[in-house]
Amino acid sequence: SQQGEEDPQALSIQEGENATMNCSYKTSINNLQWYRQNSGRGLVHLILIRSNEREKHSGRLRVTLDTSKKSSSLLITASRAADTASYFCVTTSGTYKYIFGTGTRLKVLA
Amino acid sequence: GAGVSQSPRYKVTKRGQDVTLRCDPISSHATLYWYQQALGQGPEFLTYFNYEAQPDKSGLPSDRFSAERPEGSISTLTIQRTEQRDSAMYRCASSPGLANDEQYFGPGTRLTVT
Repeated sequence: SQQGEEDPQALSIQEGENATMNCSYKTSINNLQWYRQNSGRGLVHLILIRSNEREKHSGRLRVTLDTSKKSSSLLITASRAADTASYFCVTTSGTYKYIFGTGTRLKVLA
Repeated sequence: GAGVSQSPRYKVTKRGQDVTLRCDPISSHATLYWYQQALGQGPEFLTYFNYEAQPDKSGLPSDRFSAERPEGSISTLTIQRTEQRDSAMYRCASSPGLANDEQYFGPGTRLTVT
């Protein structure tokens, strides 16, 4: 079963706009990670935020974490066509088990 | 190696046959994971190894599924008596092994059971 649920399930924006996707999870976590999966390609790690952190930046990515609400958000600024992909939040909780969410399919229109 | 590799990339097999999938992780990585990914879904955890130990195989769907990592490096996932519902992408990932680090994924094996 999948722990996280991303919202929205699908998102379509114009190039240059910002994209925000959200993730909710069910149990307490050690950290939360976001991964990207391009069509026909593998999964790539984007960013990791630990449970004692509230916000983290990496290039055009900004991640927030609210452990009281069991939620996280991923913001991609100034989106590009190459950002078109599925985005998954992944949680770990006390073990080496990684639980993927259901994913948000982002489409960036040129 | 430079990255995680998997073979074969594609496998078509007939129902009832056994298949073995292979994963070659990044050489310095202690932990190795197997996932099953259905079309349009996120990967679902099957099992993982810490070197050659297999502490958690709770995600294996049935006793037809088994995995090995006998020398703590290359791993195989075997599905016996395949069924059509086993058709999926099987992904392998490795991680340095500490503190729930980021995972490095292989390209996957697309299994089709006819």
